[in-house]
Formats: sequence, C-alpha cells, structure tokens
Amino acid sequence: QITLKESGPTLVKPTQTLTLTCTFSGFSASTTGVGVGWIRQPPGKALEWLGVIFWDDDKRYSPSLKSRLTISKDTSKNQVVLKMTNVDPADTATYYCAHGWFWGYYFNYWGQGTLVTVSS
Amino acid sequence: QSVLTQPPSASGTPGQRVSISCSGSSSDIGTNTVNWYQQLPRTAPKLLIYSDDQRPSGVPDRFSGSKSGTSASLVISGLQSEDEADYYCATWDGSLNGVFGGGTKLTVL
Repeated sequence: QITLKESGPTLVKPTQTLTLTCTFSGFSASTTGVGVGWIRQPPGKALEWLGVIFWDDDKRYSPSLKSRLTISKDTSKNQVVLKMTNVDPADTATYYCAHGWFWGYYFNYWGQGTLVTVSS
Repeated sequence: QSVLTQPPSASGTPGQRVSISCSGSSSDIGTNTVNWYQQLPRTAPKLLIYSDDQRPSGVPDRFSGSKSGTSASLVISGLQSEDEADYYCATWDGSLNGVFGGGTKLTVL
C-alpha cells in the first residue's frame, strides 16, 4: 500500500524559504521508473505542476519557478524535500506530493496535501 | 494561465453523457499521452485516466478518455451525482515538464 504525506510549516513570511517534506511508504524512490512530484493548488484555483524527481535523481522543474525550486530525495528515509526560496503571498496554496511513473508521466498516488499560507 | 485549455464548467443530469475537452499543442498533447484527474470537493486529486485511455483499477468503466491530434477528451457516460467534481487534464512537454489544464467544474443537475 502506497501512502504519502506532506509536512512543513503552515505559515511562512514573505521572502523566507519554504521547506516541505514528503514522507512516503510502500515504494522505493530508487525503483526504475518511479518519480515523486510536487503539485500545488492556490485556494479556489487550478492545479499547478511544480516539479518531479525521478529514480535516477533526474529533476525537472516548472520553467516559471525553476530559479526558486529545489527538489531532493533521501532514499534511506523515504523522503522527498521541496525547497522554495523567496516566497510571496502568491505562493499561498495547498501543496501536494505524489508518486508517479516516468512512462506515462502520471501521478497515481497523492498525499492529502498541506496548506501553506505566506503572510507577514 | 494554464498551458492546456479546458472549459471552466460542464453540467449534465443523472444518466446523461458528458464530455470534457482539453486542448493543447504539438509540443505537449500532440507528442505525449494525456492523463485525467478527478478532484472531489476538499480532497486530493485522484488519477482517473492515464496514457490517453487507460483506467486505473477501481475506476468505473463509464469514465473513458480519448485523444486526437492536439486535443483530448474525457467522457462520462451514465452521469451520477457522485461525479460532481473538478476534472483536470495533464501531460508533459518536450523538456519533461508537466502541464495541467485549468480544470473543469462538473455540476450534476
């Protein structure tokens, strides 16, 4: 059974760095074809793809956010970490991590999401 | 503004057939397969269709997907009240960057 859960601060001040951790079970992030992605959703708005880290440590980032994002993984801890620098109130959103497959590029298991508010 | 274009809303009565479109370009949908997600109110998205027309285990067969050229469609046959949700199409581009549609809010009248 695959499960994922996001954790991190619920409130972050503008210009600070947001760090979110995705802790998962039921799979290995080093299994060929596996990717762990981050997706966010501002309140009342659409899903936005942020990035993904693949089993071979290849990483892809949203072009519009690439300069501010870093995704890393710790296979031994079954964790994937998202760092977003210089946050702004526009980054207020529910952040999801999800298990996916490189072939087909789909996310078949999602965490419950964590709401992050950026405000002074 | 989303890369993939979906109608913001759709509606139907129970039992009806509803179609939701997703329009992209030659660099995304035109080249890669399309996935669809269902997001029920106040819940995380759920994979509904992958690789254009494949249903994950547990997804009813009244949900179907198709793709032609740079557009894709999700069809719900025999609409049910529990299908009221937001639906998102997704794919990726030539740089392996994921893209989502703007979402379609489906109302069951």
